[in-house]
Amino acid sequence: DAGVTQSPTHLIKTRGQQVTLRCSPKSGHDTVSWYQQALGQGPQFIFQYYEEEERQRGNFPDRFSGHQFPNYSSELNVNALLLGDSALYLCASSLGGRQGEQYFGPGTRLTVT
Amino acid sequence: GQSLEQPSEVTAVEGAIVQINCTYQTSGFYGLSWYQQHDGGAPTFLSYNALDGLEETGRFSSFLSRSDSYGYLLLQELQMKDSASYFCAGAGDDKIIFGKGTRLHILP
Repeated sequence: DAGVTQSPTHLIKTRGQQVTLRCSPKSGHDTVSWYQQALGQGPQFIFQYYEEEERQRGNFPDRFSGHQFPNYSSELNVNALLLGDSALYLCASSLGGRQGEQYFGPGTRLTVT
Repeated sequence: GQSLEQPSEVTAVEGAIVQINCTYQTSGFYGLSWYQQHDGGAPTFLSYNALDGLEETGRFSSFLSRSDSYGYLLLQELQMKDSASYFCAGAGDDKIIFGKGTRLHILP
């Protein structure tokens, strides 16, 4: 049973650049959520995709955008990177409306210099 | 605003029982989840309470009281591998909110 996978594992970008992170959900799951986690903090909800549409969104600027593909995989795009965007980006998958039971991928560590 | 409050740190002895509390303020609250995260790892799902009462999964139990906007995670027969951060998370109408996490230290 394939779990949630994310790529790349680590990424270093320069301020002002753009980045794309990728996520494949757990087998059988159709919903993908993205989180930003700073060191020592809880995950901060960015947005959730279901049926290829953004269903919910947290308090993140429009620089953060996403997409879900017909195979349920998803991308997170961040434009005009800021130093403060340096964090661990987590993808979590779930089934339908089950927001309470999410399965996380290993994350992508983004460093902005 | 929407928030979940939990203690920043808890210390317990190996073999003992520990309870991690979580109080929440979330609009359109659906239920309370608990996740475990080891250093350098990703959060792993432990339990979810959609209804009031106690849910038991092996050594871990979780409780929810909607009337008190309160829940807790109970860990029994503590093992050294349980040393980790534990997060409560609430799902609401428009977003999912995580607490800041409770660091559990286990003494031998």
